[in-house]
Formats: sequence, C-alpha cells, structure tokens
Amino acid sequence: GAGVSQSPSNKVTEKGKDVELRCDPISGHTALYWYRQSLGQGLEFLIYFQGNSAPDKSGLPSDRFSAERTGGSVSTLTIQRTQQEDSAVYLCASISAGALFYEQYFGPGTRLTVT
Amino acid sequence: QKEVEQDPGPLSVPEGAIVSLNCTYSNSAFQYFMWYRQYSRKGPELLMYTYSSGNKEDGRFTAQVDKSSKYISLFIRDSQPSDSATYLCAAGGYQKVTFGTGTKLQVIP
Repeated sequence: GAGVSQSPSNKVTEKGKDVELRCDPISGHTALYWYRQSLGQGLEFLIYFQGNSAPDKSGLPSDRFSAERTGGSVSTLTIQRTQQEDSAVYLCASISAGALFYEQYFGPGTRLTVT
Repeated sequence: QKEVEQDPGPLSVPEGAIVSLNCTYSNSAFQYFMWYRQYSRKGPELLMYTYSSGNKEDGRFTAQVDKSSKYISLFIRDSQPSDSATYLCAAGGYQKVTFGTGTKLQVIP
C-alpha cells in the first residue's frame, strides 16, 4: 500500500517568508510525528499528534513553528518568518493504532533551504 | 550533551566484514532501544528494537544493550554493499524516540 508522503519534496524560500510543509500519513494511522534532521544534529523531535490533538509539542524550537492535523489524517507544519537556521530536512512519521511508539513509518522528507 | 551520542563516522569496510556500530545514552529512564537504517534521500526505517538489556538477533544483524554501562551496539555480519546507509541508534521510554546523529556506513565490494 501507499506509504507516508510529504510535499513538497524540496522547497527553497527567502529569509523572512512563511512556508507550509505537508504530511500525508498512511491511511488509518492514528499517531503522527514531525522531526527535523540537519547535519550534525541528527533527528530532532518537533511535535507529536494523537488523532488531531498534540499532547507533546515540546520540540518546537520557537513560536515561529506551528503544526496542525485535521480529520485525523493530513498534517501541516508551518514555519513563519523563516531564518537560515531553519534549513534542514523535515520528516514526518506515522504509527498505526495499537503499535508501539517506536514502530514509526517515515516519509521521504521535505528538504527546506532558506536563502 | 545529547541524550544519545553516536560517532558520525563515516565508516568504510570491505564486503564480508563484521561491522560494529555503537552508541551511548545518558537517560536512565530509557527502556526501549532501537536501530533505524536510512538510505540516502529516504526516511529512516526501523531495523531492530530491544527492550531493556540483552541481545537480539535477526539474520545478519545483532542488537545489544548494556544498561549498566548505558551502551547500545549493532553488529552486522557478512556485510553487503546493500548495507551501505546511515544507521541511527535511538532510545525511548514513552511515546517519544530520541535519536543519535547517525553513523554513515559504506560497504565496498
């Protein structure tokens, strides 16, 4: 079946602009995670959704970052007033109901470059 | 200091070699220990997991955890060129996975 998809695959934006990154989880998967991966930093947790609620948003680096999930499916990560340090690969992952928290299926990521 | 520390490599080995990948962690609350494999331009995929201390074997792969020393290891026997990827160790306790930075492995034919 279809895996986790993310769009766009690449995004180049100018400093100060807002960007929206989209994640389509595997159909029926109830939990969804967002991560940021940059060179030397590894995968950094950003936010976790269970259904449409976000019980843990502790990893969002600043109030410029926000995320929402609607209909228990698609999620959007929004970065306002982008900065060069926001350049990274943004990955999302989903988990099926009843699966353990580490059984995450990752999308291919969105590569964000802020110029 | 990161909660999960991993040597970024790169590590280059000849085909057929035994590969040893290692991590340390600092959070005593971690109960689950995982290894993910990430090919270039792809998302990570779960390779193996272990609960608490001990060994787990799956084909050519063996995961080992020593909670007394807070050490996580992955051994790959008879390494193949298709094993060339970045390997991320990870640990967690409840709902959240903390990842190492990843070790890039190249297996040369």
